Amino acid sequence: DVKVTQSSRYLVKRTGEKVFLECVQDMDHENMFWYRQDPGLGLRLIYFSYDVKMKEKGDIPEGYSVSREKKERFSLILESASTNQTSMYLCASSTGTSGHNEQFFGPGTRLTVL
Amino acid sequence: SQQGEEDPQALSIQEGENATMNCSYKTSINNLQWYRQNSGRGLVHLILIRSNEREKHSGRLRVTLDTSKKSSSLLITASRAADTASYFCATFHYDKVIFGPGTSLSVIP
Repeated sequence: DVKVTQSSRYLVKRTGEKVFLECVQDMDHENMFWYRQDPGLGLRLIYFSYDVKMKEKGDIPEGYSVSREKKERFSLILESASTNQTSMYLCASSTGTSGHNEQFFGPGTRLTVL
Repeated sequence: SQQGEEDPQALSIQEGENATMNCSYKTSINNLQWYRQNSGRGLVHLILIRSNEREKHSGRLRVTLDTSKKSSSLLITASRAADTASYFCATFHYDKVIFGPGTSLSVIP
């Protein structure tokens, strides 16, 4: 079974801190995604990556950056956390060259910024 | 309104009844996918329907797609308490993926 793991289920940080969210998948998937999920808004795509060292902006990249140094790992970085980044963060991966295939999700990280 | 909007926002039914959720979208798509999310967890893929398909089945799930109306529906037959979850549609078009806000389904035993 595909497994996508995220480094923390719950995280509490202070405003201005640099925050790292880690995601690892074990199925050699080419594509990886970071979303945030807020009530009433569904999932919104922050960044995605189709290959190592590649990154593409999603719909809401402001305030975030990503890193993909290895195929299995995709990190989301909040350069200077703000209270409006309090949210559930979901990582996903998929196979194929187009990113259109089934996405496998991690359990999510609920981040609270105080 | 958003692409991939589900309707209704919330649905409560008795165990054994059928549940129908609808999804509307605005732009062209390559495929449309439905996902389930149990409370506080990650999403689980249910079914994918391509833009040239009209209907697809998987166990108790039936998905239809009407590209002329830019809409899709998810039918869960003979619902069970374990079907209680949020259901999301997601549209895929080239490098764009858009999830709707979801339908919260409660199945009462």
